[in-house]
Amino acid sequence: EDQVTQSPEALRLQEGESSSLNCSYTVSGLRGLFWYRQDPGKGPEFLFTLYSAGEEKEKERLKATLTKKESFLHITAPKPEDSATYLCAVQGSGSGNTPLVFGKGTRLSVIA
Amino acid sequence: DTAVSQTPKYLVTQMGNDKSIKCEQNLGHDTMYWYKQDSKKFLKIMFSYNNKELIINETVPNRFSPKSPDKAHLNLHINSLELGDSAVYFCASSQGGVGGDIQYFGAGTRLSVL
Repeated sequence: EDQVTQSPEALRLQEGESSSLNCSYTVSGLRGLFWYRQDPGKGPEFLFTLYSAGEEKEKERLKATLTKKESFLHITAPKPEDSATYLCAVQGSGSGNTPLVFGKGTRLSVIA
Repeated sequence: DTAVSQTPKYLVTQMGNDKSIKCEQNLGHDTMYWYKQDSKKFLKIMFSYNNKELIINETVPNRFSPKSPDKAHLNLHINSLELGDSAVYFCASSQGGVGGDIQYFGAGTRLSVL
């Protein structure tokens, strides 16, 4: 069974204090790993998709990386508006239709 | 224009009632999904439809019945509501088959069963 574990559950940073969020996964053949951002009272918003180990993607202050067992979301010099819950999800390449399996998320708070 | 829209945003009802949640997407996507996010914020797939055909049906009580009148709409009907059904329900859509492509989510429907 595909599984995703995210750590830490919650992270509090000062504005400008860089850090990383971790997503460890087990999957029967990785079809894709996804990062989403979720603000309170809203639906998840897509950030990145990574498909193979070694791949990296960047968007503003965020950078996502992927290895065969985990993914990191690096946040450089965060601002208060980066405060949100960050969700990681994987899709396995099993037979038939395989859904996204989400982790429980990391709740990030950036304090000015 | 909202890409994936759900109605209602909030739903408060008594145990034993029957209720429906509606979802519409204007992205021209072929695949739509229903997810449940519980009190611990864990997001889990319930159903997926591709071109009006049910392709994923996770372990969900048969009190939950999805209906897709066309590929732009996926509604969720829940019979005999129970306290444990209280959660936020999200609709999503994607262009291709299940997963793989980016899924776009609605704003969610917060269901409270009293």
